[in-house]
Amino acid sequence: QVQLQESGPGLVKPSETLSLSCTVSGGSISPYYWSWIRQPPGKGLEWIGYIYYTGKTAYNPSLKSRVTISEDTSKTQFSLQLTSVTAADTAVYYCARQAGFAMDVWGQGITVTVSS
Amino acid sequence: QSVLTQPPSVSGAPGQRVTISCTGSSSNMGAGYVVHWYQQLPGTAPKLLISDNSNRPSGVPDRFSGSKSGTSASLAITGLQAEDEADYYCQSYDKGPSAFYIFGTGTKVTVL
Repeated sequence: QVQLQESGPGLVKPSETLSLSCTVSGGSISPYYWSWIRQPPGKGLEWIGYIYYTGKTAYNPSLKSRVTISEDTSKTQFSLQLTSVTAADTAVYYCARQAGFAMDVWGQGITVTVSS
Repeated sequence: QSVLTQPPSVSGAPGQRVTISCTGSSSNMGAGYVVHWYQQLPGTAPKLLISDNSNRPSGVPDRFSGSKSGTSASLAITGLQAEDEADYYCQSYDKGPSAFYIFGTGTKVTVL
């Protein structure tokens, strides 16, 4: 069955760019949507954006100006870039597969702290 | 930004039935968009519990059930068990000025 694994630095300095990858194993990227979701410490879930296997993207309006989601040419990974980060971007970041509008498979999550 | 409102906490004794409400608006559930529910055990990633208002994915016990009516949805847990103690989130789609996916505020279920 499909499994997802997030990877990337756990510490990012303020004003820099957060870059994470999600590796998809045990299944194909098509024909699904693939999302990034984050959860600040002690808080709820926030959808960041998705990429469709065709390359189409959509982003949360509150983050749109700072977010880019892309897929790599191997079609087994997709990535998140969030620019100009602040302490408010400190969170656990999850990647997830979408089946319809539901996120049916999740990665284990990666903790990212924004601090100098 | 649109939001789905849930009670911060609910509690019940083992074996009891508890329900969690999820209140939206005319731009999400009221527009006909389906609702999904996730269970997040402490320190773990969310897990899809109910999809498309009332469907249980394979492996989810039938103690969990979902329903939706108009701008609101509910998750019911019957025969509450200790392992059900977790955070629960509803999720839907919003057709506002910039369409996107929204999560509920989350509900902590405590088994007394």
